[in-house]
Parts: sequence; C-alpha cells; structure tokens
Amino acid sequence: QVQLLQSGAEMKRPGASVRVSCKASGYTFTDYYMHWVRQAPGQGLEWMGMISPSTTSTTYAQKFQGRVTMTRDTSTRTVYMEMSSLTFEDTAVYYCARDHLTSVGGLGYWGQGTLVTVSS
Amino acid sequence: SFDLTQPPSVSVSPGQTASITCSGDDLGDQYVCWYRQKPGQSPVLVIYEDNKRPSGIPERLSGSNSGNTATLTISGTQAMDEGDYYCQAWGSSTVIFGGGTKLTVL
Repeated sequence: QVQLLQSGAEMKRPGASVRVSCKASGYTFTDYYMHWVRQAPGQGLEWMGMISPSTTSTTYAQKFQGRVTMTRDTSTRTVYMEMSSLTFEDTAVYYCARDHLTSVGGLGYWGQGTLVTVSS
Repeated sequence: SFDLTQPPSVSVSPGQTASITCSGDDLGDQYVCWYRQKPGQSPVLVIYEDNKRPSGIPERLSGSNSGNTATLTISGTQAMDEGDYYCQAWGSSTVIFGGGTKLTVL
C-alpha cells in the first residue's frame, strides 16, 4: 500500500531554514508527482508546489518562489522541501501528497504532516 | 489570480442531504476534486475528476461541475461525515484550494 512517511516536528528561529522529508513506499517512486501543502493553525490548505521525481522538474506557487526548494533522492525514495528565511507566519503543518492517478486527478495520498513552529 | 469560493459553513440534519458549493470563473471547464479533513488528521480525497470516487468512499458522496460552480453532495448524511471540506482545481499550472467549508451534522 502507498505510504508517505514524513520527518518529525521542527522548531526554528525567525530567519532560519527548515527541511522536511517525505519517504515514499508502496509504488513506483518516479511515476507520480509529489506536492507540498501547508496548513497554518486554524486555517485552510495552501499549495506550495510540486516536483516530478522522474525529471526533478519543479513548479512553485508564486508566493513561495525564491524561498522554497523541492528536491528528491531516488536511492532512498525521499522527497525534500526546504524553506528559508522563516517568519512567524510560516508556523504550520506541512504535508507531502502524491498525485492520485493523473496530474488532474487530485492528491490521493497524504503524509501524516510535519509541524514546523517558528518561535523566538 | 484564479480563486475558488466556498461557504464557510454548512449545517445538515442526520439523514438529510448536504450540498457544498465551490465557485470560480469557468470552473466547469476543468476538473474539480474534493477533500475531507477531520480535526488532527490529514486530508482525504473523496471526489476526483468532478464526480469519481476513490476506493473506499461511499456512494452517498457525489460531485458535479458545470458553469462556474462545482457541488459536493452528501446524501443520507451521517455524523461521520462531519469535517472540513475543500475543493481543488488548477490555475495556470498551479494547484488552487478553496477556503474550506465546515460541515456540521446537527
């Protein structure tokens, strides 16, 4: 079965960077795009961007361009999301999510989420 | 930018039909997905490509999409259907989420 296992909670100071990992299993890693979605406390879902594990091609939401980098390691079947210049407003749960079937078929599998807290 | 608008909340009595709308310019020209999220849990895909259900999603959840509005319909609503529902579509090669609707089963 498809599983996405994310790294543990992080606490960072303003201005720091954070890297969250997402280890995939149960399917051919390079066959599906991986997305990153975040959710601030009490707020809705916010799409950050996506990466093709096959080609490493990335697309970022305009809001995060220049501050977010998504990468992958095919040897460990892991996708990474790194965000720099953190502010208090970046406190959120960060999810990785895999395409369900096709690029327009929704995000069918989600990780358990990683809480990133930005605090001084 | 392309925006998706949902009502903040919808209430329904057990056994009745709940409808949650999602509005956007010419939304009917593209596929819409729906997710349900319960407190403390990751979102779950409940409808994709306007009206298809992933494995394990009951038939009483259905979707439609035409014109500027997509609709998620839950027939015979049960207490387990409570949660936050988000619509999702694509805009300029990026994923767009609606603001979410809190469904309360009274």
